[in-house]
Amino acid sequence: AQTVTQSQPEMSVQEAETVTLSCTYDTSESDYYLFWYKQPPSRQMILVIRQEAYKQQNATENRFSVNFQKAAKSFSLKISDSQLGDAAMYFCAYRSREGAQKLVFGQGTRLTINP
Amino acid sequence: ETGVTQSPTHLIKTRGQQVTLRCSSQSGHNTVSWYQQALGQGPQFIFQYYREEENGRGNFPPRFSGLQFPNYSSELNVNALELDDSALYLCASSLLRGSFTDTQYFGPGTRLTVL
Repeated sequence: AQTVTQSQPEMSVQEAETVTLSCTYDTSESDYYLFWYKQPPSRQMILVIRQEAYKQQNATENRFSVNFQKAAKSFSLKISDSQLGDAAMYFCAYRSREGAQKLVFGQGTRLTINP
Repeated sequence: ETGVTQSPTHLIKTRGQQVTLRCSSQSGHNTVSWYQQALGQGPQFIFQYYREEENGRGNFPPRFSGLQFPNYSSELNVNALELDDSALYLCASSLLRGSFTDTQYFGPGTRLTVL
């Protein structure tokens, strides 16, 4: 079974600075998807960024980018120019390409933005 | 385009009772997945429905059951409620085409409290 580990329960960063959230996963599959979801205090889970394992190029969405290291099974999220609205729980998630395609989530990292 | 909606927002039940939670999928989506998120934890996959059939199930007992309707909306039913069932229940919809499932988009959740 696949597992996802987020080793940082909490992180904080100054507004306008850069922060990196860590995620590692365990799988025997070669083709899969990885995601970062954001859950603000209002609780609706929002997709931040998605990475397909067969793509070597790291995904980027505006101020959000990932560092995908397939051999190391590492998938970190970098947030540049942090904004107050970035404050939230961030979840790393894994999904197989085949089968029920359920999302397997990590425990989450609570990100605080200091003004 | 209408997003994923869930009802009710909050619910309080007592042990042994039964509960039904509802989810309307995003326009154009044909698959619904349900997740349980205990306080301070990442979401756990309960099951997924596609074409009104269960399409995968997580490690949850049979008293967790579901339905999907022809309009792709879905219900989650929980019988014989236990205190540990207190959680945020998240619904996510996606589009399944052949063996490929697109990204899952989440609703705002239903907060269930069991007393």
